[in-house]
Amino acid sequence: KAGVTQTPRYLIKTRGQQVTLSCSPISGHRSVSWYQQTPGQGLQFLFEYFSETQRNKGNFPGRFSGRQFSNSRSEMNVSTLELGDSALYLCASSLTGGMDIQYFGAGTRLSVL
Amino acid sequence: EDQVTQSPEALRLQEGESSSLNCSYTVSGLRGLFWYRQDPGKGPEFLFTLYSAGEEKEKERLKATLTKKESFLHITAPKPEDSATYLCAVPSNQGAQKLVFGQGTRLTINP
Repeated sequence: KAGVTQTPRYLIKTRGQQVTLSCSPISGHRSVSWYQQTPGQGLQFLFEYFSETQRNKGNFPGRFSGRQFSNSRSEMNVSTLELGDSALYLCASSLTGGMDIQYFGAGTRLSVL
Repeated sequence: EDQVTQSPEALRLQEGESSSLNCSYTVSGLRGLFWYRQDPGKGPEFLFTLYSAGEEKEKERLKATLTKKESFLHITAPKPEDSATYLCAVPSNQGAQKLVFGQGTRLTINP
């Protein structure tokens, strides 16, 4: 069974640009969550989607947004990139959410220059 | 505010030298606690879920335990391949899928 797939694995952008990251969950999983990981702040929750609806959101500015498609695949977008957005962005999927185990992808490493 | 604190930040052991990692949390109405392992350049890999105080789970050289205020990850006779960052997380009261993670313990096992 294939795991969570995130693309691309690496990205380099400049300040002010926007970026879109993609996540394909494990087959049959309908909940997708996104996290940002930095050395200083650790893993921080961005948002969770289930059945194309955002169910929960973390404390990030509105420049961070996401969506989920009918096949459960998800994308997150960051507009007007700042240097501080450089991080590893991780996607996790679970069956339906709640206390289901979240399985993580390998992440997308975003560098903002 | 939900908070998770892990200690120590880093731990270096000799192969075969057993030890424990600590995860303390402040969250009202704990619904469970997760342990993950993360290798460099990879996403976290699920290890255990603990649901209630007194519960224990084991996997190879790892055993996780849970009390009302903290969890321990005991590692017995570790091998170099156990080197990784170990993360614990609790579901937020704002939604179970919103995991609140600790900063992790970076474990190094020297041969």
